[in-house]
Amino acid sequence: DARVTQTPRHKVTEMGQEVTMRCQPILGHNTVFWYRQTMMQGLELLAYFRNRAPLDDSGMPKDRFSAEMPDATLATLKIQPSEPRDSAVYFCASGPLIGNTIYFGEGSWLTVV
Amino acid sequence: DAKTTQPPSMDCAEGRAANLPCNHSTISGNEYVYWYRQIHSQGPQYIIHGLKNNETNEMASLIITEDRKSSTLILPHATLRDTAVYYCIVRAPGAGGTSYGKLTFGQGTILTVHP
Repeated sequence: DARVTQTPRHKVTEMGQEVTMRCQPILGHNTVFWYRQTMMQGLELLAYFRNRAPLDDSGMPKDRFSAEMPDATLATLKIQPSEPRDSAVYFCASGPLIGNTIYFGEGSWLTVV
Repeated sequence: DAKTTQPPSMDCAEGRAANLPCNHSTISGNEYVYWYRQIHSQGPQYIIHGLKNNETNEMASLIITEDRKSSTLILPHATLRDTAVYYCIVRAPGAGGTSYGKLTFGQGTILTVHP
């Protein structure tokens, strides 16, 4: 059963530390998304890629966040330095080039203290 | 993408049909209606989508009004495991366009299925 895999599932870190979240999209999917979910803001799109190229990262704070796809099987979201307000669940999702459905991973639960 | 309006919460008895409404009065002719749900502590899960015809799959049915300004998601026999937040999303198609996949989530409807 194909699925989007995210690591780590849970992370507690101190303010100022670097955090890297990883995502393995479903094999063959060439569009990858990063979403963030908080109680206050709900689900927000941070960035998305097609064929490993960033298409839109307007939802991402540029000063501390960065997203990359080193290869077709790995997407990363990095926060440096992390702040308590970054505490949230970060979801990765992937979808095929042709098709209407995107599939979400189980999320990375980040707590910055 | 068109904005959607959903009731914040609904209740349903187990075994009965759950009918979740969604208003999307500003929908454009080429925009699809999507439904996703999010069970507590999990990632959002695709349920169904449609353009103008009614659609049915193993999870649910989607009824879209003729003017396409509203739709209803129907879970025919709700179970306790269907308790979740249900999101109605309107999105333009276009695998080649930059809008592809930009699902914009609202607050959704919290559906509680009780015994």
